[in-house]
Amino acid sequence: GQQVMQIPQYQHVQEGEDFTTYCNSSTTLSNIQWYKQRPGGHPVFLIQLVKSGEVKKQKRLTFQFGEAKKNSSLHITATQTTDVGTYFCAGFQTGANNLFFGTGTRLTVIP
Amino acid sequence: GAGVSQSPSNKVTEKGKDVELRCDPISGHTALYWYRQSLGQGLEFLIYFQGNSAPDKSGLPSDRFSAERTGGSVSTLTIQRTQQEDSAVYLCASSFDPKAWEQFFGPGTRLTVL
Repeated sequence: GQQVMQIPQYQHVQEGEDFTTYCNSSTTLSNIQWYKQRPGGHPVFLIQLVKSGEVKKQKRLTFQFGEAKKNSSLHITATQTTDVGTYFCAGFQTGANNLFFGTGTRLTVIP
Repeated sequence: GAGVSQSPSNKVTEKGKDVELRCDPISGHTALYWYRQSLGQGLEFLIYFQGNSAPDKSGLPSDRFSAERTGGSVSTLTIQRTQQEDSAVYLCASSFDPKAWEQFFGPGTRLTVL
């Protein structure tokens, strides 16, 4: 069945360092979304990627969708303490009706 | 406007009791999703509604779990004969369109089964 894995599971960085989380699907995705969940909070939508090879930026965040539409990455430049949280990718398998959420990467930023 | 709301925010129950969790989606959102999140874990898909119908119930863990949606709006998730392993945060999300739009999550219901 559909599996969406994320690595790493946990990441500790010093404030100001960069951070990257990778998302890999076992099947081709029609699109991919990224969510952020702050500690004690609920997931909040960040962005959606649809096209093969698409790259989108939001300030210090850069999102990429792989050419084969089976993987994606989120890169944060110069992390800040406000970046703390768990980042989830989520994708729609072609023909499916529900989002498959990745396992998440929990980011800790050390001041 | 109002976001997705869920009630109760916390529920403590005894093993074997039934519980009902409620979700009020954003008005006009046709798609509604239920997820379960255990402490420190990812989101486990439970069920998806398009309008009042549930084309995908594949994520329901057992026949003790059921869900319904009425009037294309409010949804209830019912867990019968609760077990300790049912303890988790139950999150509801809604979206304007199931495939192309972001999901808006509610604050969740934290269920504790003693």
